[in-house]
Amino acid sequence: AQKITQTQPGMFVQEKEAVTLDCTYDTSDPSYGLFWYKQPSSGEMIFLIYQGSYDQQNATEGRYSLNFQKARKSANLVISASQLGDSAMYFCAMREGPSNTGKLIFGQGTTLQVKP
Amino acid sequence: NAGVTQTPKFRVLKTGQSMTLLCAQDMNHEYMYWYRQDPGMGLRLIHYSVGEGTTAKGEVPDGYNVSRLKKQNFLLGLESAAPSQTSVYFCASRGTGQETQYFGPGTRLLVL
Repeated sequence: AQKITQTQPGMFVQEKEAVTLDCTYDTSDPSYGLFWYKQPSSGEMIFLIYQGSYDQQNATEGRYSLNFQKARKSANLVISASQLGDSAMYFCAMREGPSNTGKLIFGQGTTLQVKP
Repeated sequence: NAGVTQTPKFRVLKTGQSMTLLCAQDMNHEYMYWYRQDPGMGLRLIHYSVGEGTTAKGEVPDGYNVSRLKKQNFLLGLESAAPSQTSVYFCASRGTGQETQYFGPGTRLLVL
């Protein structure tokens, strides 16, 4: 069974608008972490944002916020005021269990295209 | 401060050949990881290390070996390359008490 599901293979958004990229996860472990990474066409993996399972508030990093809904097991990434440079592949990932190994499980990714 | 570097950036191998991919980090991180990325499948963990001299298997370890003789280096070996190992390989590192993994630029490997 998929542990991390990203159901949107591709998304389009108009420049300056907000966009939500969906991510659902599956785990029975009470301790886990959720991450979003960006992969531009140049290929590098860029860390965007992290949410711990015990964190009470949604994580925010500049224009990025993580909409964490624990009961629904979702961890959607919200990008506000999209920019052309946001066009990239976005991966949701989960660290399952305690962080002593830090192993990540990745989703299949969502390609975001920002239109001028 | 270079972060995480990977050598080589690109390599073409023939089936049955061997090679070693080098990952180096200058952040004094304890944890290091090797992932592979195939089209449409996201990243999958091959092997990882929780400290110098330690290694452990990840999700897809078959056909690969690793070594962590020095804290700053994590080597990934392919003893007998197969076309199924054509992929982009990423190395990552993480500090103790930190959550974020920092990735290298990737190595593109083509096995013919």
